[in-house]
Amino acid sequence: GNSVTQMEGPVTLSEEAFLTINCTYTATGYPSLFWYVQYPGEGLQLLLKATKADDKGSNKGFEATYRKETTSFHLEKGSVQVSDSAVYFCALTESNAGNMLTFGGGTRLMVKP
Amino acid sequence: ETGVTQTPRHLVMGMTNKKSLKCEQHLGHNAMYWYKQSAKKPLELMFVYNFKEQTENNSVPSRFSPECPNSSHLFLHLHTLQPEDSALYLCASSPGLAGPSTDTQYFGPGTRLTVL
Repeated sequence: GNSVTQMEGPVTLSEEAFLTINCTYTATGYPSLFWYVQYPGEGLQLLLKATKADDKGSNKGFEATYRKETTSFHLEKGSVQVSDSAVYFCALTESNAGNMLTFGGGTRLMVKP
Repeated sequence: ETGVTQTPRHLVMGMTNKKSLKCEQHLGHNAMYWYKQSAKKPLELMFVYNFKEQTENNSVPSRFSPECPNSSHLFLHLHTLQPEDSALYLCASSPGLAGPSTDTQYFGPGTRLTVL
């Protein structure tokens, strides 16, 4: 079956630091890959997505590249802000799995001023 | 993303109560989903509806009863719940069920449910 593995948090950074949150996946077919973000007290918001190998998703300064050879989709940001503090979820869907989202366990990011 | 709304945002109920959660999407999507988010557990898919028809029931106990009267509305009827059912219940929608152009899911803000 499909699975998504994320680095465990919390990740604590100072403002303007470089962020990497690792995500690797296992899938039987050709998944689409996603990063969702959950701010305190809110639901999940789509941050970015990539649908095929070597695609790069980007949004709000965050980037992730779909690496089929390493089955990875690591999230990066060059300079984090306090407002980026949230929980980040890596996820995948496969069209032959009825669009069921498989989520990683989530990584909490805390950015200190 | 404000295209998916959920009410109520917070709900406290006793184990003998009956209540319903409501989800509405304003995105013109055809598929809708219920998820459960418990503390320290991965997000769990509960139900999937596509064009008002249930396509997935992820072994959810019968005390949770979904209803999808049309593609824009999704309900989760609750009865005889247990304290371990306390969680954040998230609704989502997507254009469809298959393919990279239709598979992105958009989530509502969730209903925080506490069962006493």
